[in-house]
Amino acid sequence: GNSVTQMEGPVTLSEEAFLTINCTYTATGYPSLFWYVQYPGEGLQLLLKATKADDKGSNKGFEATYRKETTSFHLEKGSVQVSDSAVYFCALSDNNAGNMLTFGGGTRLMVKP
Amino acid sequence: KAGVTQTPRYLIKTRGQQVTLSCSPISGHRSVSWYQQTPGQGLQFLFEYFSETQRNKGNFPGRFSGRQFSNSRSEMNVSTLELGDSALYLCASSQTTGNANSPLHFGNGTRLTVT
Repeated sequence: GNSVTQMEGPVTLSEEAFLTINCTYTATGYPSLFWYVQYPGEGLQLLLKATKADDKGSNKGFEATYRKETTSFHLEKGSVQVSDSAVYFCALSDNNAGNMLTFGGGTRLMVKP
Repeated sequence: KAGVTQTPRYLIKTRGQQVTLSCSPISGHRSVSWYQQTPGQGLQFLFEYFSETQRNKGNFPGRFSGRQFSNSRSEMNVSTLELGDSALYLCASSQTTGNANSPLHFGNGTRLTVT
């Protein structure tokens, strides 16, 4: 079956540091890939997505590139802010399975001023 | 435009009871999905409804059920509650199904505690 593995947290960074959160996946076919963010006490918000190999998703300074050869979708940001502190989830959807998403375990990011 | 609304926000139930959670999707959205979030198992897909029909179901026992109404509002029901059902239940809506360009919008969830 499908699965998503992402680095365990917490990841603690100082403001303006570079962020990488690793995500790898196992899937049959050609899934779509997503990064979601969850702030305390809230639901998930879509951060960015990529629907085919070599696509780069980007939003709010975050980027991730769909790498089929390494089955990866690593999240990066050049300069994090305290407001980026949240839990980040990598997810995939099998294009034949409706809106069923398979999520990674989540990575908590803490950014210190 | 109002977001996805889940009620109630918090719920405390006793083992063996049943519970019904409600989700109102964004206006115009026809797909509603439900997810369970726990510290141990993470985020797991429960089921998806599209135009009042269950489209997909995750690997959960039959105690977990759901339905969708003609106005796209959805309810999920858990019968014979167990301690392990304590979780944050998230509802997500989207305009259509199976289209990555129609992203899921999540509600803030219902926190269920079973004692």
